[in-house]
Amino acid sequence: QKEVEQNSGPLSVPEGAIASLNCTYSDRGSQSFFWYRQYSGKSPELIMFIYSNGDKEDGRFTAQLNKASQYVSLLIRDSQPSDSATYLCAVRGSSNTGKLIFGQGTTLQVKP
Amino acid sequence: GAGVSQSPSNKVTEKGKDVELRCDPISGHTALYWYRQSLGQGLEFLIYFQGNSAPDKSGLPSDRFSAERTGGSVSTLTIQRTQQEDSAVYLCASSLGTSSETQYFGPGTRLLVL
Repeated sequence: QKEVEQNSGPLSVPEGAIASLNCTYSDRGSQSFFWYRQYSGKSPELIMFIYSNGDKEDGRFTAQLNKASQYVSLLIRDSQPSDSATYLCAVRGSSNTGKLIFGQGTTLQVKP
Repeated sequence: GAGVSQSPSNKVTEKGKDVELRCDPISGHTALYWYRQSLGQGLEFLIYFQGNSAPDKSGLPSDRFSAERTGGSVSTLTIQRTQQEDSAVYLCASSLGTSSETQYFGPGTRLLVL
């Protein structure tokens, strides 16, 4: 079992719809959870992070964390074609090194 | 500088040659991370530095890989006797400290081993 799992997609949604991206993790001691966006040929950029159960909202983005079920999700409201990218889920584990364990990423396609 | 910089941006080498990849973190960032991203794959952790020391080298794939950091700033990742499976994008990230939530990534070095 991989430490962080994501559906590779592609996930295709029409412009204006809500895109829902999901991620599960195996280390129950994990402390922090991150969503990065990566455009083709570019480096990852942080969208948001969450460390408490529940929802965290930032503009059109909402991260949801459920530690009991060991999953974290990212909702993108009013999806735009410019949101088309690969979304990487990352987990900071129970060690205190700060290293991130990444999932393989979900490719999102927002169609005009 | 304004962000994390890496050099070279692209490197093509022959199997068996040694390569050095450089990372210049954001000024003042004490934590520095190396990751590798193979084609179509997620990021794979290689090594992390706090200052000049490397408390976690657990991701280095073999003893052909080594890294150092000097002056709490620039880091060099060295791959000896390169193999074709070393072909990947090597990404460096830095953060204010290990407890900082935000790691800022550089543009990466695309390594191709022929």
